[in-house]
Amino acid sequence: ETGVTQSPTHLIKTRGQQVTLRCSSQSGHNTVSWYQQALGQGPQFIFQYYREEENGRGNFPPRFSGLQFPNYSSELNVNALELDDSALYLCASSLHREYNEQFFGPGTRLTVL
Amino acid sequence: GEDVEQSLFLSVREGDSSVINCTYTDSSSTYLYWYKQEPGAGLQLLTYIFSNMDMKQDQRLTVLLNKKDKHLSLRIADTQTGDSAIYFCAEWDYGQNFVFGPGTRLSVLP
Repeated sequence: ETGVTQSPTHLIKTRGQQVTLRCSSQSGHNTVSWYQQALGQGPQFIFQYYREEENGRGNFPPRFSGLQFPNYSSELNVNALELDDSALYLCASSLHREYNEQFFGPGTRLTVL
Repeated sequence: GEDVEQSLFLSVREGDSSVINCTYTDSSSTYLYWYKQEPGAGLQLLTYIFSNMDMKQDQRLTVLLNKKDKHLSLRIADTQTGDSAIYFCAEWDYGQNFVFGPGTRLSVLP
């Protein structure tokens, strides 16, 4: 069974650019959540996708958007990057949106210069 | 809104027990979790407890839940240098998003 994978591992962008991060969920999992973890802080919930539809959103502006595909893999898109977007972006999958265990990928480290 | 708080640092000697504490505000939390994060890595689920339980033991880990005080603790027995990491407390209610604390950095001294 393959765990949650994310790509790329590291990414450097400049302010104003756009970025796409990718996540492959664990086999059989139909729910994917994205988190932003700034340095020295706990993960902050961005949004969740369940069966290709957004199923909840945290306190993040609309320039953070996402997609989930029929195979339940997911993308996080961030437009008009700001310096404060520099963080570790974590993807987590779970069997179902009401299932109590979620499994995290290793994250993508985004640096905005 | 929901809030989860933790002390930020804990230092113990190898072989001693570590106790990491967490308080939360959402009384409707159904499950409470402990995650471990090593440098440069994602989060690893260590254990979780259902809200109607007081205690859960899993090998070297003991979780205690005081629902009245909204207090959760994680005890690591016989702490080893490999236990050095950041430990996150998190809460979850059915169908809602997970809410994480700021993390406690555990340093294990030889």
